[in-house]
Amino acid sequence: AQSVTQLDSQVPVFEEAPVELRCNYSSSVSVYLFWYVQYPNQGLQLLLKYLSGSTLVKGINGFEAEFNKSQTSFHLRKPSVHISDTAEYFCAVSVDQTGANNLFFGTGTRLTVIP
Amino acid sequence: DVKVTQSSRYLVKRTGEKVFLECVQDMDHENMFWYRQDPGLGLRLIYFSYDVKMKEKGDIPEGYSVSREKKERFSLILESASTNQTSMYLCASTDNYRPGNTIYFGEGSWLTVV
Repeated sequence: AQSVTQLDSQVPVFEEAPVELRCNYSSSVSVYLFWYVQYPNQGLQLLLKYLSGSTLVKGINGFEAEFNKSQTSFHLRKPSVHISDTAEYFCAVSVDQTGANNLFFGTGTRLTVIP
Repeated sequence: DVKVTQSSRYLVKRTGEKVFLECVQDMDHENMFWYRQDPGLGLRLIYFSYDVKMKEKGDIPEGYSVSREKKERFSLILESASTNQTSMYLCASTDNYRPGNTIYFGEGSWLTVV
């Protein structure tokens, strides 16, 4: 069975400070990894994804994430956050299996950037 | 750009009412989804459609049904709304439902059942 764990439900951080949002997954098969962002009162949009190749993935708005297979993690980082980064961030895992649902979401991390 | 449009952003309905949530995508995507989003629970898949008139149950289909009469339109139906269906509903689509493909989301429909 697949699962995605986002350990921190809320992360407050001061403007221009670095941030790391943690994501761990469990899967017995190969995975593809995603981070989606949801700004207030909006739907989700893709921030970045890992399919294969380099384990460091760069996304939009200065975010990056690193795939660590041995630790089954895909943590999201940004070296200096802005007020506009305040949003909810969802980690997701996609697996190669038949059936209706091969995409599994974490429970989300609410990032609040403090001026 | 892919656009997934949910026509109703905010709805208030009474218990027992029949509720329709409509979703339209403009990219000729084959696959469409309805998710429910609740605090602390993330996104949970209600139903999935991989073609016109085709559907599959997701993780939480109870109390819901769907309709896909045209490729671009996917409707979520609450036959008899209940207060525990108060939630944010997200529609999504993708062209080829393979692992690794990006899924595109609408802006969400906030439903309150009183």
